[in-house]
Amino acid sequence: QKEVEQNSGPLSVPEGAIASLNCTYSDRVSQSFFWYRQYSGKSPELIMSIYSNGDKEDGRFTAQLNKASQYVSLLIRDSQPSDSATYLCAVNSGGGADGLTFGKGTHLIIQP
Amino acid sequence: GAGVSQSPSNKVTEKGKDVELRCDPISGHTALYWYRQRLGQGLEFLIYFQGNSAPDKSGLPSDRFSAERTGESVSTLTIQRTQQEDSAVYLCASSPRGGLEQFFGPGTRLTVL
Repeated sequence: QKEVEQNSGPLSVPEGAIASLNCTYSDRVSQSFFWYRQYSGKSPELIMSIYSNGDKEDGRFTAQLNKASQYVSLLIRDSQPSDSATYLCAVNSGGGADGLTFGKGTHLIIQP
Repeated sequence: GAGVSQSPSNKVTEKGKDVELRCDPISGHTALYWYRQRLGQGLEFLIYFQGNSAPDKSGLPSDRFSAERTGESVSTLTIQRTQQEDSAVYLCASSPRGGLEQFFGPGTRLTVL
């Protein structure tokens, strides 16, 4: 059974601070990792993908992957109230474009 | 360009009825996925189509669920004899050829009374 675990939160972060979201996964052979943002009542929106160990930066977002520890994280710098949403971690265990296994998401609240 | 579209946006049905949900992927995307999201839960993978290959049905929860796709275009997800536990948002996603990133449509909210 492939599992993706996230702290459900809510995670409350003051505006302008760094928000740190964490995710662990059970399938050691997992190859591809994704972070989606989901606003209430909306569909998931892809914000980051990462495939190799280390950091990947895109604007205010940094994804970090450690395959040895089976751990992936998302950092959001200079957090804004518009970043308030549920962040879903998703993992693809196959080598190709297979169905993703999602965590239940972390609810992030940015306090003005 | 146009994103993934789904219809209807909302569907209310009575227990025991059949429903059909439709997904139009992003033009040129060869892979198409269906997921289900129950209230307050994460997404559950249902089925995956890649080009003309046989679909990966490993996530379908029961034989009441089926899906079809014509070539690399529209897909329909059919739920027969709906049950109250089928109430959820059904999300469709697509990926380009050779790509791993999945892009989601707005979803269909299904309510079974």
